[in-house]
Amino acid sequence: AQTVTQSQPEMSVQEAETVTLSCTYDTSESDYYLFWYKQPPSRQMILVIRQEAYKQQNATENRFSVNFQKAAKSFSLKISDSQLGDAAMYFCAYRDNNDMRFGAGTRLTVKP
Amino acid sequence: DTGVSQDPRHKITKRGQNVTFRCDPISEHNRLYWYRQTLGQGPEFLTYFQNEAQLEKSRLLSDRFSAERPKGSFSTLEIQRTEQGDSAMYLCASSPSRRAYNEQFFGPGTRLTVL
Repeated sequence: AQTVTQSQPEMSVQEAETVTLSCTYDTSESDYYLFWYKQPPSRQMILVIRQEAYKQQNATENRFSVNFQKAAKSFSLKISDSQLGDAAMYFCAYRDNNDMRFGAGTRLTVKP
Repeated sequence: DTGVSQDPRHKITKRGQNVTFRCDPISEHNRLYWYRQTLGQGPEFLTYFQNEAQLEKSRLLSDRFSAERPKGSFSTLEIQRTEQGDSAMYLCASSPSRRAYNEQFFGPGTRLTVL
């Protein structure tokens, strides 16, 4: 079964600084997709960014970008110019046509 | 608001009672998913529907759990003879097609507490 590992239960960043959240996964599939979801306190989970495994180019969405290393099965999220509103739980997720799995999450704190 | 809605938002029940949760997906989303999320963990997949057909069930979904999606619109998740270990947040999500690429839109969840 596919597994998703987030090795950082908690991370902290100073406002306006950059932070990187780590994620590794395990799969034998060649066609799959990777996602980062954000879950603010007491609010709904929303998609931050996604990456198709067949694309070599790293996805970017404004201040959010990923470092996708397919051979290493690594999918880290970089948040630039961190804002107070970025404080949340961040979940890395893997999906193929048969499976959808989430990591245990990283709690990000943004210090003013 | 046309997002995913779930009802109730909170449910407290006594062990052994049955509970039922409802999820209304975004209209025209033909895939609907149920997840369970315990404190400090990511969502765990329970089951999903393609229209009214239940296509996959996780081994987490014991015989006390049943889900339906009549007419391919809203869905219900029922837990019979609840146990304290069932206490969790139950999340519903929908997506517009069967492509794995598509984003899942999550509801606010139903928090179940079993006393």
